[in-house]
Amino acid sequence: GEDVEQSLFLSVREGDSSVINCTYTDSSSTYLYWYKQEPGAGLQLLTYIFSNMDMKQDQRLTVLLNKKDKHLSLRIADTQTGDSAIYFCAEKGTYKYIFGTGTRLKVLA
Amino acid sequence: EPEVTQTPSHQVTQMGQEVILRCVPISNHLYFYWYRQILGQKVEFLVSFYNNEISEKSEIFDDQFSVERPDGSNFTLKIRSTKLEDSAMYFCASSEEPGQNTGELFFGEGSRLTVL
Repeated sequence: GEDVEQSLFLSVREGDSSVINCTYTDSSSTYLYWYKQEPGAGLQLLTYIFSNMDMKQDQRLTVLLNKKDKHLSLRIADTQTGDSAIYFCAEKGTYKYIFGTGTRLKVLA
Repeated sequence: EPEVTQTPSHQVTQMGQEVILRCVPISNHLYFYWYRQILGQKVEFLVSFYNNEISEKSEIFDDQFSVERPDGSNFTLKIRSTKLEDSAMYFCASSEEPGQNTGELFFGEGSRLTVL
């Protein structure tokens, strides 16, 4: 069935790197996404990766994609307190996007 | 910057009452979605809508739910007879044709529904 799995919590110290992991199920997904949700707000796109890419770097964000293992990760370099939020990975199906369980990132000052 | 807007931001209703949640998607978008998020849980797909008809719906989207695009701008979600377990944050989203560009989903800020 369709399922996108993530670990629920991650806690890091300010200035360290954060790595959030995700496994997905649909190997035909053309794009995979990372969304950020701040408290009381909707989801905002952080970054995405096309399925024929292994890696994408966007300022402090690095996305790694392992299609063989259906594993996606998001690395945030030099994590700041403003990065504290819930991070969702998502895969795109034909008529819907399937979101993971979300990883709550807590950044300790 | 264009955005998806949702109203109301919070609605409290009695069990068994009908609720309509409203959304104004981004004007040039063609695909519309409703998702819900029960407090602290995952973002669950409810329904997608294109060309005035439902493209796909989940198991959650039973006969108590319906969607409509009554005019050229609004996209509504109706729950006919609310249950306690319908309490959640409901997010509307829209996208351009998903096959084009990155197919990014743009989300509204959400409508919190509390069923008493």
